[in-house]
This record gives sequence, C-alpha cells and structure tokens, in this order.
Amino acid sequence: GAGVSQSPSNKVTEKGKDVELRCDPISGHTALYWYRQSLGQGLEFLIYFQGNSAPDKSGLPSDRFSAERTGGSVSTLTIQRTQQEDSAVYLCASSKGSGNEKLFFGSGTQLSVL
Amino acid sequence: QKEVEQDPGPLSVPEGAIVSLNCTYSNSAFQYFMWYRQYSRKGPELLMYTYSSGNKEDGRFTAQVDKSSKYISLFIRDSQPSDSATYLCAMRSAGGTSYGKLTFGQGTILTVHP
Repeated sequence: GAGVSQSPSNKVTEKGKDVELRCDPISGHTALYWYRQSLGQGLEFLIYFQGNSAPDKSGLPSDRFSAERTGGSVSTLTIQRTQQEDSAVYLCASSKGSGNEKLFFGSGTQLSVL
Repeated sequence: QKEVEQDPGPLSVPEGAIVSLNCTYSNSAFQYFMWYRQYSRKGPELLMYTYSSGNKEDGRFTAQVDKSSKYISLFIRDSQPSDSATYLCAMRSAGGTSYGKLTFGQGTILTVHP
C-alpha cells in the first residue's frame, strides 16, 4: 500500500474486554514498530519486529499485552482484560530494515476503555 | 526524571518568525537524534536525522546537536502557518537490539499565526 495502514481508527471497549489492533506496513518494509501515545506521556516504545521475530519487546507494559507478526507483513497488537489506563493512541510504524531510522507511521488507533 | 525532556509549550509565533525548539537528555548512550512533526490526528513524520554533533540544514529547517551538553535543537526559519503542528524530538543508542527503540520527548505544540 501507499502507507502504513492501521485498523480500526477508533475503538471503544468496556473494561475487562480483549481488543485486537491491526497494522499493515508498507510493502517491503522488514521492520515494524508499535508505540503508544498518551496525553502528557509522549510516545512510548512497546515492541519492535524484524521480520517475524521481536528482538525487543521491553516496552510492553504488562503480560496483558502481546503482539505478533506473520508472513513478515501484518502485525496484531492484542490487549487482554483492558483497563482504563490502556486508553491511548496506538501507533504502528515500519521501516526498510534495522538501523533505518526513517520510520513511517500510521495514523494510529484511538483506544478508549470505559 | 525522564530520559528526554522537551518543553510542551504551547508556542505561538507570527508568520515569518524564527522558531527554536529544544530537547535535553540524560542518557549519554544516545547517539542518533531525530525530529518528527505530527499534525493533529496523524502519525509523526520524520523531518531531520542527525548523528554527530554540529548542524544539519534542510531547507528552512536546521537541526543542531551538542553531545557535550546533551542538548539538541530544531530551528525553523521563515515559519509558515502550515508549520503549525506538534514537534517531537527522538533519539536512540547504537547497536544491539536498539534499532527500533526510539525515546521521544513529550512534544512541543507550535502555532504559527498569519
């Protein structure tokens, strides 16, 4: 595609429910990143994929958060048993490969947990 | 104390003004420095990328890095209303599994009024 595509653009869920956020990177980009943007917190790194493996998942806040990437393309971020503090914009980015800092970001998924 | 500190502003300037945006950091392992621009409800886009101390110029934008003082700046000359956005500094250390892990500042909200 022309850019990084994220879906849904908005998600409202009830506390305790599970949610899945999807990211479709730019074709040919081998590296994929998930970040979270909260009011007053800036962008926080969550996890980084090179191909289908995740060399760095140190930013995942708890074991309720998990992510996978299949076929070196689409990635899914799953949040189980959502809490109100999970409310944020979840941003996905991709780049041509490791060490290439030109990250292309999607427009994000606005998650609201009621 | 956050690893990267950035004044959130907001900053309001008249069209044509020179804008100075700044970040300080505490982690001496940071070697690569970036500036991103983020429009409302969009993902960040890369403006400038620098490695060494000194200046880098691209059109109306100049990025400055002073590693000895752990201080980076972005200057915008002849500012335009279309420059109104949130500006985020970002940085990372070198090597290992750090390629994908950028540490962002909180972002400075800039408004350029006609």
